[in-house]
Amino acid sequence: DQQVKQNSPSLSVQEGRISILNCDYTNSMFDYFLWYKKYPAEGPTFLISISSIKDKNEDGRFTVFLNKSAKHLSLHIVPSQPGDSAVYFCAVDGGSQGNLIFGKGTKLSVKP
Amino acid sequence: GAGVSQSPSNKVTEKGKDVELRCDPISGHTALYWYRQRLGQGLEFLIYFQGNSAPDKSGLPSDRFSAERTGESVSTLTIQRTQQEDSAVYLCASSLVIATNEKLFFGSGTQLSVL
Repeated sequence: DQQVKQNSPSLSVQEGRISILNCDYTNSMFDYFLWYKKYPAEGPTFLISISSIKDKNEDGRFTVFLNKSAKHLSLHIVPSQPGDSAVYFCAVDGGSQGNLIFGKGTKLSVKP
Repeated sequence: GAGVSQSPSNKVTEKGKDVELRCDPISGHTALYWYRQRLGQGLEFLIYFQGNSAPDKSGLPSDRFSAERTGESVSTLTIQRTQQEDSAVYLCASSLVIATNEKLFFGSGTQLSVL
């Protein structure tokens, strides 16, 4: 059973609008969460993270929100730009050293 | 080099053949990780190295898979007697140390196709 779920395989947004990518997890013991971005033919790159002691972390146009009671996190990108078009992976620290558990990813398309 | 380098970038092999995938991590990174991504799936953790040691090999899918690291640098992932279900992108990542908040830096991956 998937421990990290990204239920939307794809999302299309107009340039300048907000993109909201969602992620749900199953284990309330998870305490560190990350988002990675992946362009075609490239490896994933780290985008932003959040610890369970916080409910929000902001870095420029990117904000991650964590709702621990709902076991849900979301990534907000505002304003969205065409260069943000990529696959976004949600990941959690699995507790075992070195083991990040990834979701299946959401493909974001930002249209000019 | 500046980033994590993987070779080959693409590998097509016949079922039953052995393949060897190579990863050159960022210089000075003590931790190295292997993941794979099958079509339509998320990244699946395979194994990590702390220095040259792999403390936990339970993520490897079968005993046909093995990995080693030498000189706290290059790592090779070997798949023996490849099967069609081994087809995937194999991603290597490295980090300075192993820690909860440590960023992973990924290579571009090796696309393995088993015919």
